[in-house]
Amino acid sequence: DIQMTQSPSSLSASVGDRVTITCQASQDISNYLNWYQQKPGKAPKLLIYDASNLETGVPSRFSGSGSGTDFTFTISSLQPEDIATYYCQQYDNLPTFGGGTKVEIK
Amino acid sequence: EVQLVESGGGLVQPGGSLRLSCAASGFTFSSYWMSWVRQAPGKGLEWVANIKQDGSEKYYVDSVKGRFTISRDNAKNSLYLQMNSLRAEDTAVYYCARDLTQYSSSRLDYWGQGTLVTVSS
Repeated sequence: DIQMTQSPSSLSASVGDRVTITCQASQDISNYLNWYQQKPGKAPKLLIYDASNLETGVPSRFSGSGSGTDFTFTISSLQPEDIATYYCQQYDNLPTFGGGTKVEIK
Repeated sequence: EVQLVESGGGLVQPGGSLRLSCAASGFTFSSYWMSWVRQAPGKGLEWVANIKQDGSEKYYVDSVKGRFTISRDNAKNSLYLQMNSLRAEDTAVYYCARDLTQYSSSRLDYWGQGTLVTVSS
């Protein structure tokens, strides 16, 4: 199984800050990586697919990059509505998710 | 508007069975792979199973192989998860999700609201 290591597990930042989350795969997964946002009590929502493509309707402050084993998810200017847990997910083999990053406002 | 509505969750004893359903609307159900994803209380997401458009291919996470069966009825726009020999560690919210798998790309682009399965005596 491909393991996805996400870091940090939680972070606290101020409104307007740039926030970066990393995800490392246990083997080369090319660009077969997605990012999801999950707000408390809600279903996950797709934000980024194929490592760097923004899902339709998702604000442009969200972005993704990377290939191979190392990936980055960025919120360019943190907004109060971005409080959530973010997950990476690979699909090179059977899908697996990273452990999640809980983002809070400082 | 794409909608996915899960049902069938509840409290079941260890070793028991439960069948989850997911009613789909707002898209051509028979044209898409579908997936089940679960989330244990306070934990992260775990993909459980998926099924091809015509049901000819099915894949499972190792922890449920031989106990869970994914199926679909395209005439009823419905996805199912038959869960047998349930264990305490199967306790979770179960989400169905549209699985946009095509060529070399795959993503879960729409999700239901989830249904809670609790395995306890």
